[in-house]
Parts: sequence; C-alpha cells; structure tokens
Amino acid sequence: AQTVTQSQPEMSVQEAETVTLSCTYDTSENNYYLFWYKQPPSRQMILVIRQEAYKQQNATENRFSVNFQKAAKSFSLKISDSQLGDTAMYFCAFMKLYSYQLIWGAGTKLIIKP
Amino acid sequence: NAGVTQTPKFQVLKTGQSMTLQCAQDMNHEYMSWYRQDPGMGLRLIHYSVGAGITDQGEVPNGYNVSRSTTEDFPLRLLSAAPSQTSVYFCASSFPGQGEGWETQYFGPGTRLLVL
Repeated sequence: AQTVTQSQPEMSVQEAETVTLSCTYDTSENNYYLFWYKQPPSRQMILVIRQEAYKQQNATENRFSVNFQKAAKSFSLKISDSQLGDTAMYFCAFMKLYSYQLIWGAGTKLIIKP
Repeated sequence: NAGVTQTPKFQVLKTGQSMTLQCAQDMNHEYMSWYRQDPGMGLRLIHYSVGAGITDQGEVPNGYNVSRSTTEDFPLRLLSAAPSQTSVYFCASSFPGQGEGWETQYFGPGTRLLVL
C-alpha cells in the first residue's frame, strides 16, 4: 500500500521569503502522479501543482515549484516570494496511474507573517 | 459553470439519524468520489464512481452508501449516524483519460457534519 508522509506539521515564514515544504512517499509503482493541494481557511481544496513520475523535469507554476526526487521518493514544494494569501494547509497527495484514487499526507500548516 | 457543488454546508445530526449529502458537477466528469477529512489526518476515500451505475468502495466505506443514477449527481447517504462520522466531507470529480490533466480532481467546498 502507498503512504504519504509530511514531516512538518507547521511552518511559519516572513512575507517575501522562500519556504520549502517536505513530502515523502512510499510505493512500489513506477508510474504515478504527485500533487500539492492548498486548503485555505475557506476549506476549499485547491490544486497548486502536479508532477508526472515519468517526467524528470520538475514542475513549476509561477511562484510554486517542486523538487521531485524519484529514487529518494521525495516531492518537496518550494514557494518563492511568499505572500499573505499563501497562508493555508498544504497537502501532498499520490495517485497510481489510472487509479483515480488519491492517497494524502496529513498536511503542513503554513503561516505567512507580515 | 458552477464546478462541483455540495449541500448542505453544515449539518448537525443526532446519533441514529440518517441523511444524504448532496454532490453535483456540471463538467460532464465521469469520475466522482467522496472523501472525509479528520483533524490531523489527510483525506480518506469513502466511495467512488467511474460512471453512472458504477460505484465502488474506498478506504473507509463502513456506514456510508452511494449510488450514481446520473453523470451529474453522486449523493452520499449516512444510514444511521454515529459520533465517529463527525467530519468534513468533500466531493471530487475528474474526467479521466482525456488528454493532459486527466488526473486532476476538482473538489467541492465541503460539508461539515457534526453528530451528537
């Protein structure tokens, strides 16, 4: 069975700083997808970024980028130039190819301080 | 295009009562699922459906029933509510197998359920 671990329950940084959230996973699969979702106080689950395991290039979306290390089974999220609106819970999730079922980490609470 | 909608937003039940959480999507997505979110834990899959008339169990199905009579709707039924079912429930959908981004799931706003 797949598992996803987020080892940082809570983090806080000053506005405009760069922050990295950690995620490790365990799987015997070779083809899969990894996701970072953001959950602000409104509780809405919002996709931040996704990565296909068969692509070596790290995904980027504006200020958000990932460091995907397939051999180490590591998938960290870097937020550059952090903004107050980035304050939220961040969840790492795993999905086997064509399974459509997401396996979630426990989340990291990120606080951006003014 | 409303995306994924859920009703109600908040509900209080007494132990033993039954209720249905509603989920609808207007994106013609074939795949729909229900997750529950408990404090300190990631989301856990309850039930899912890959199309009208087809449903299957996820990780934590006990105490919940689902059916899928249309592509748009995927209600979740609690037959006899228990305090252990106090949680936030999320519905999600996706349109699998259709090019780039097929695997991305879109979430509703959630339903907060309190069982006393």
